[in-house]
Amino acid sequence: AQSVTQLGSHVSVSEGALVLLRCNYSSSVPPYLFWYVQYPNQGLQLLLKYTTGATLVKGINGFEAEFKKSETSFHLTKPSAHMSDAAEYFCAVSGTSYGKLTFGQGTILTVHP
Amino acid sequence: NAGVTQTPKFRVLKTGQSMTLLCAQDMNHEYMYWYRQDPGMGLRLIHYSVGEGTTAKGEVPDGYNVSRLKKQNFLLGLESAAPSQTSVYFCASSPTTGELFFGEGSRLTVL
Repeated sequence: AQSVTQLGSHVSVSEGALVLLRCNYSSSVPPYLFWYVQYPNQGLQLLLKYTTGATLVKGINGFEAEFKKSETSFHLTKPSAHMSDAAEYFCAVSGTSYGKLTFGQGTILTVHP
Repeated sequence: NAGVTQTPKFRVLKTGQSMTLLCAQDMNHEYMYWYRQDPGMGLRLIHYSVGEGTTAKGEVPDGYNVSRLKKQNFLLGLESAAPSQTSVYFCASSPTTGELFFGEGSRLTVL
């Protein structure tokens, strides 16, 4: 079984500041890890994913995440926030190669001018 | 390329009524899923399918039924709607690489 915990339901940053969204997972098998973004009244879009190999994963819109097995974490970062980054972000885990994902509760990112 | 299309986008039901949500994908994906999204709870898997003619229960299957008669379609049915089923429903499909492609959602209100 898998589970995901996202630390902080709301995160607020200033434009240009570092974005850090935290995700910890639990999995009984080697995990596949994902970050998705959801803009208001839209579906979810994939930001990035970790399957195997390099533990630092780069995604779209300047986001990246690092898989740390020892810490069971997959935190999402972006060096400089932009107003357009304001959205809800979901971390997800799967124990299989196909997408039967378990999602975290979501983190709403607010970006202030 | 339409991707994943859900119909209807909005629906209001009275308690006890039935309805069907339709999901169609044009990417030839084997796997399809129905999730519900509720505030503060993320997305929870209702039912899923790993191929035409197959279905399986997810995390919260009670009160829902599904069918996958054609590879491109995945139907979610509510036989007797309850207010607890008020939610936003998302359909998704995936190839074998695990990435989910989502529809835009169907907002259901049960009075």
